[in-house]
Amino acid sequence: AQTVTQSQPEMSVQEAETVTLSCTYDTSESDYYLFWYKQPPSRQMILVIRQEAYKQQNATENRFSVNFQKAAKSFSLKISDSQLGDAAMYFCASGGRSNFGNEKLTFGTGTRLTIIP
Amino acid sequence: DADVTQTPRNRITKTGKRIMLECSQTKGHDRMYWYRQDPGLGLRLIYYSFDVKDINKGEISDGYSVSRQAQAKFSLSLESAIPNQTALYFCATSDTGVYEQYFGPGTRLTVT
Repeated sequence: AQTVTQSQPEMSVQEAETVTLSCTYDTSESDYYLFWYKQPPSRQMILVIRQEAYKQQNATENRFSVNFQKAAKSFSLKISDSQLGDAAMYFCASGGRSNFGNEKLTFGTGTRLTIIP
Repeated sequence: DADVTQTPRNRITKTGKRIMLECSQTKGHDRMYWYRQDPGLGLRLIYYSFDVKDINKGEISDGYSVSRQAQAKFSLSLESAIPNQTALYFCATSDTGVYEQYFGPGTRLTVT
């Protein structure tokens, strides 16, 4: 079984500053994927960034980047130059790849990010 | 048009009523999922289906049932709604062998 832990229920950041959201996971899979999803007030779940565990290079999508520490089972999300539109709930998720055709995800409990103008 | 749609978007129902939430997708994905979201608990998997003939229970399936009517349609039913089923419900899809999931807009269900 996989578990995903987000220990920061809420965070805030000044507009234009940088913020890092934490996520740790536990999995017995040798190959797996990690994701960050964003849920703005519209409640739509939006994929922000993905990381394949076999890749050592940290994923980056514009202002969003991750710090993937495989040995520590840590997967943090860094948002640079925070904007008002970044205000949302952020969910970390993991999916194991032990069996092809078993593409389920396990989600963390979320971190609510507030942007201070 | 949205790739994954859910109906209704909001619903208020009474305890003991039967209710069905519907999900349709135009992404051509085989995999479909139903989650519920509760404050402080994140998203929890209710049921998932890897193709029309394959339906599996998730971690919180008690009190729910599903039907996969076609590749594109996956419905969630509450046979006898109870107040602790008040939650935000999401449908999601993914392609075979791919872990990224694409979500519908959610259904806010309130059971009084």
